[in-house]
Amino acid sequence: DTAVSQTPKYLVTQMGNDKSIKCEQNLGHDTMYWYKQDSKKFLKIMFSYNNKELIINETVPNRFSPKSPDKAHLNLHINSLELGDSAVYFCASSQDLRGGELFFGEGSRLTVL
Amino acid sequence: GNSVTQMEGPVTLSEEAFLTINCTYTATGYPSLFWYVQYPGEGLQLLLKATKADDKGSNKGFEATYRKETTSFHLEKGSVQVSDSAVYFCALMTNNNNDMRFGAGTRLTVKP
Repeated sequence: DTAVSQTPKYLVTQMGNDKSIKCEQNLGHDTMYWYKQDSKKFLKIMFSYNNKELIINETVPNRFSPKSPDKAHLNLHINSLELGDSAVYFCASSQDLRGGELFFGEGSRLTVL
Repeated sequence: GNSVTQMEGPVTLSEEAFLTINCTYTATGYPSLFWYVQYPGEGLQLLLKATKADDKGSNKGFEATYRKETTSFHLEKGSVQVSDSAVYFCALMTNNNNDMRFGAGTRLTVKP
């Protein structure tokens, strides 16, 4: 039973489209994250939520909008996709705001053409 | 700000060779330090961690010691296997926030 699952695993789309990536964790954790990994494997935090409340919002274009309907879900919606948005997006969770070990999903590879 | 610097890869070793991947950090306060591993096509998973100075984290034959005096957390393994081929990330998190900062990652390839 996958602890952190994200869908879709692969997403290929045209510039200008709007797309969403969904994430769910069944670990009972309070805190969830979105990370972006570029082609050189560099990993950068985008957002974190704790119990549906936004905690970290790094300098990310406002075309990216996270939504947390409950503490087990953190979805990422991206408007007006650009070529530079192509990356692997990882969802992660931790028990609470104290952080510690992060549990990652398998990633969603987004390719913008 | 908080940051992690790790040695650039790629690193290519023969099976049973000794591995060191260097990691140094800059942080305010007293961070916890981590090594994560990413196998091909998978998400990151925790390899080991240390939460205070002089702690040694260990797992699957890998070790790293939290050295406050040199602000380092170097990853070592005495005898690598082909199955250790992956990308390794050093990371830190300070006690006052939940922002995990990752290094750039080091790709390790182990050849038989």
